[in-house]
Amino acid sequence: DAGITQSPRHKVTETGTPVTLRCHQTENHRYMYWYRQDPGHGLRLIHYSYGVKDTDKGEVSDGYSVSRSKTEDFLLTLESATSSQTSVYFCAISDREGYTFGSGTRLTVV
Amino acid sequence: QQQVKQSPQSLIVQKGGIPIINCAYENTAFDYFPWYQQFPGKGPALLIAIRPDVSEKKEGRFTISFNKSAKQFSLHIMDSQPGDSATYFCAASWFGNEKLTFGTGTRLTIIP
Repeated sequence: DAGITQSPRHKVTETGTPVTLRCHQTENHRYMYWYRQDPGHGLRLIHYSYGVKDTDKGEVSDGYSVSRSKTEDFLLTLESATSSQTSVYFCAISDREGYTFGSGTRLTVV
Repeated sequence: QQQVKQSPQSLIVQKGGIPIINCAYENTAFDYFPWYQQFPGKGPALLIAIRPDVSEKKEGRFTISFNKSAKQFSLHIMDSQPGDSATYFCAASWFGNEKLTFGTGTRLTIIP
């Protein structure tokens, strides 16, 4: 999607390893979000940010941390990946038009 | 706690039919109700949104109907086409709260 990039697009990692997903925006939006998408659960908010160094927890934040040292970058870290964190992760920004989502990162924890 | 309940989970409709997806919410503070459309391998994209000062909003073949007293809103797709096959999410938020709460999604299939 225009203005928001997620990396990597796919990742396979082993249980217990740390993983960092990156979200980059080019449009200077204040609010950024990390969601995970799982069948039967829809989109659930993990963490969000309302400015540089300003972050807060969502409904499924356990096992995840985030950092935002620059307006354009929002990082999601799984400190010690577990199989229950296998999911598709979406980053989003919000503006007057609503949310714009990235294309997602498919993470598999084996 | 599911604050936005969406149904059905999946739906198959013949081309030209009118699929209807329903959502119900609990939080009376919600005042913004968007629908998102997601194609496989892509992120969700905003389709249409409504605020509770109107009971209906149309954009092309897509219509949102809103019932404030029942705390329900629904998406109707007129003259549905195979290209409308996607997963649809309803969502809700309130003024001053930038976080959207999503429903669990409906996988819609339009058969020729």
